[in-house]
Amino acid sequence: AQSVSQHNHHVILSEAASLELGCNYSYGGTVNLFWYVQYPGQHLQLLLKYFSGDPLVKGIKGFEAEFIKSKFSFNLRKPSVQWSDTAEYFCAVRGNNRLAFGKGNQVVVIP
Amino acid sequence: EADIYQTPRYLVIGTGKKITLECSQTMGHDKMYWYQQDPGMELHLIHYSYGVNSTEKGDLSSESTVSRIRTEHFPLTLESARPSHTSQYLCASSSPGQSFYGYTFGSGTRLTVV
Repeated sequence: AQSVSQHNHHVILSEAASLELGCNYSYGGTVNLFWYVQYPGQHLQLLLKYFSGDPLVKGIKGFEAEFIKSKFSFNLRKPSVQWSDTAEYFCAVRGNNRLAFGKGNQVVVIP
Repeated sequence: EADIYQTPRYLVIGTGKKITLECSQTMGHDKMYWYQQDPGMELHLIHYSYGVNSTEKGDLSSESTVSRIRTEHFPLTLESARPSHTSQYLCASSSPGQSFYGYTFGSGTRLTVV
């Protein structure tokens, strides 16, 4: 079965700082990878996804993620965060027709 | 705005009560899922369905049951609620096969059993 590992569960940073969230997955087959975001009081929303092709994926709100197959990683980045990026971020891998999620990163951006 | 709806949004209920968490989607998705979400933990798949009259247990053992009588409706039932059932329950759906683009999630039901 697939699994996802996310590090640094709590991240606090100031506006304009750069953000990078690590994601490592375990799955033996062809992977589809996702990052979801959950803003306070809202539902989980798809931030970006990787299915195939260019390993550098651009998503909404200035986020991007890089798939590195040799490292089984799919790290999320944003060069300059805003207060509105305060949220919980979940990495997920699709395998066996279902998604497995990591524990999430709680990101707090201080104005 | 999500096209998948969960009710109630919040529920506080006494031990031993029977409860049903509702989930409906308007996208015509065949596949639907129930996840359990606790703070600082992974989302755990507890049930899924690939279509009408198809239900399966997920990776996390759960005392809840589900039904799928209509494509758009995927309710979750707890026959006798216990404090250990306190959690957030998320419903999701996805389109099948080649058109798969990820899951669409509802807003969740936060259940507290006292």
